[in-house]
Amino acid sequence: DVKVTQSSRYLVKRTGEKVFLECVQDMDHENMFWYRQDPGLGLRLIYFSYDVKMKEKGDIPEGYSVSREKKERFSLILESASTNQTSMYLCASSFAGGIPEAFFGQGTRLTVV
Amino acid sequence: GENVEQHPSTLSVQEGDSAVIKCTYSDSASNYFPWYKQELGKRPQLIIDIRSNVGEKKDQRIAVTLNKTAKHFSLHITETQPEDSAVYFCAASETNTGNQFYFGTGTSLTVIP
Repeated sequence: DVKVTQSSRYLVKRTGEKVFLECVQDMDHENMFWYRQDPGLGLRLIYFSYDVKMKEKGDIPEGYSVSREKKERFSLILESASTNQTSMYLCASSFAGGIPEAFFGQGTRLTVV
Repeated sequence: GENVEQHPSTLSVQEGDSAVIKCTYSDSASNYFPWYKQELGKRPQLIIDIRSNVGEKKDQRIAVTLNKTAKHFSLHITETQPEDSAVYFCAASETNTGNQFYFGTGTSLTVIP
């Protein structure tokens, strides 16, 4: 069974704090993604990575950065958290070829106060 | 980039009736179209997918149709049951150059017993 695990289910942070969201997958997937989920807006791609140390901006990268030092781990960083970054964050991973199904983590509900 | 539109945003049906959710996409290079189901408080999970070389795919009570010429694809759920109540997301991906997934904004389906 594929497992994509996010480090926290719920987080409360203060405005201006640096926030790290961690994601680990155990299926040797090349691709990893960070999405933000907001009501009525669906899943919006923040960043994705197709290999170690490689990253591509998604649709809404402003205010975020990412790190992928190891194949199994993809971190999302909020450099200076703001209240408009309060949201549900979902990590996902998939193979680069073959079956392209994306597997999701359980999500991190981040509240910035 | 790709733009995926999904309709309707909410859908209520009586138990036993059929439900149809429609999506359109803009990039003719997209060749993989998955559908995800997200139950309340849970992660999105793949329920069915279709590739661009196929016009229709069926799995028990769910089916997906694809019209490449018109750039639209649809999810059909027959004989709906209360456990079908969830948010459904369509997505489009171009698997040859990166596997980036573009999601629709989601449809909240309620099956009324």
